[in-house]
Amino acid sequence: SYELTQPPSVSVSPGQTASITCSGDKLGDTYTSWYQQKPGQSPVLVIYQDTNRPSGIPERFSGSNSGNTATLTISGTQGMDEADYYCQAWDSGTAVFGGGTTLTVL
Amino acid sequence: VQLVESGGRLVQPGGSLRLSCSASGFTFRNYWMSWVRQAPGKGLEWVANINKDGSDKYYVDSVRGRFTISRDNAKNSLHLQMNSLRAEDTAVYFCVRIEMFQFDFWGQGTLATVSS
Repeated sequence: SYELTQPPSVSVSPGQTASITCSGDKLGDTYTSWYQQKPGQSPVLVIYQDTNRPSGIPERFSGSNSGNTATLTISGTQGMDEADYYCQAWDSGTAVFGGGTTLTVL
Repeated sequence: VQLVESGGRLVQPGGSLRLSCSASGFTFRNYWMSWVRQAPGKGLEWVANINKDGSDKYYVDSVRGRFTISRDNAKNSLHLQMNSLRAEDTAVYFCVRIEMFQFDFWGQGTLATVSS
C-alpha cells in the first residue's frame, strides 16, 4: 500500500520560515493536500492541489510538490500556527495520510 | 457548510455501531463524502469514500468486509455501519466532504469506543 512519510516534529522561531516535508513514491505525479489540526479541534484544509490556499487561509501558507516530495512552507510563522500538520494524497481511489508533523513555535 | 456526526458510544468487542452524519449548507447530492478516523493520540486514517449517488464505495483494507458506508441524498445524511468491532477501531470518526482531490470540510467528530 502507498505510504506518505513526514517528520514527527519541526521547531521554528517566531517570524521564521517553517518547512514540513511529505515523502512518497512519485508523489509529484499526484495532487497533495495539507491539513492543520489544533488540539481538540477538527482538521482544517490549508493547502490543496499542491499549491492552492482555501479562502481564509493566510498567505504565509504555501505548498510545492515535485519528484517524491511535497512541502508545506509557513513564512513568518506565528504562535497560532503551532499545530499538527498532515499531508494527504490519493492512490487508486483510496486516500492516504502522512503520519503527521507537530510544529512547535518557540 | 455544516456536518454533524452522531452515534458514537461505548460498545463491546464484536459488537456493532451505526454512525450518522447530517449535512447542511450545501447541495449534498453533488459531493463525494468520506469517513476519516483518529485513534486517541494518533494521526488521521482514511476509512471510506462514497460517490455522489452511492453506487461506488472504497474502503481501507482494515475495515473492508466489516464496515459499510452509505448515504441518503433525500435526507442529506451519510452513514457508517460498523460490525465486528475491535479495540483498534476505537477512534473519533469524522464525516468529511470531498471537493475534487481534497477533504474540504470536516465535522466535529463522534467518539466510538470499543472495550469490554
